[in-house]
Amino acid sequence: QLQLQESGPGLVKPSETLSLTCTVSGGSISSSSYYWGWIRQPPGKGLEWIGSIYYSGSTYYNPSLKSRVTISVDTSKNQFSLKLSSVTAADTAVYYCARHPRGAAAFDIWGQGTMVTVSS
Amino acid sequence: QSALTQPASVSGSPGQSITISCTGTSSDVGSYNLVSWYQQHPGKAPKLMIYEVSKRPSGVSNRFSGSKSGNTASLTISGLQAEDEADYYCCSYAGSSTDYVFGTGTKVTVL
Repeated sequence: QLQLQESGPGLVKPSETLSLTCTVSGGSISSSSYYWGWIRQPPGKGLEWIGSIYYSGSTYYNPSLKSRVTISVDTSKNQFSLKLSSVTAADTAVYYCARHPRGAAAFDIWGQGTMVTVSS
Repeated sequence: QSALTQPASVSGSPGQSITISCTGTSSDVGSYNLVSWYQQHPGKAPKLMIYEVSKRPSGVSNRFSGSKSGNTASLTISGLQAEDEADYYCCSYAGSSTDYVFGTGTKVTVL
């Protein structure tokens, strides 16, 4: 069945750029039926949608993070990626990648999540 | 865009029914039938339990049901079981400028 797996550094210095990749296995990221998104969860806190991408490359972002976020897709590798610039301690969180069907506004398959700590 | 409001905690005894509310505004919950609910056990990724207000994904127990009235959505768990003890989050579509907003989360305790 479809699986998502996040990967990337677990520690990022303040003011630097956080970079994560989500690898999709068991299915194609190029399906016209789905978007692919990033969601984060600071320790002990709730979920926050970061942004999403379609296989064609069209993106949409949370307005509160839009100035610092870039999401891209590599269909040849069945991966999509997140870059968050100028990070601070407030960006410390578990970062999840997830699939969401077009029109359903629901995240139906999630990766296991990866913890990213922002600290010098 | 502010987070949707959920009660911090709800509890119930095994076999009972509990309801978790999720209050938004006329810009999100009130405008779209695109509310979803997620269950999250400690240290685990969220799991989709309800989508489009009241639809259950394949494999989700029919003890979980969703509804909406005005700006408030609700998740009801009937026949409460020990395994239902977890955090629950709602999520709503909020239009093309904001897209998705999550709730503050509710800790469900089975007494």
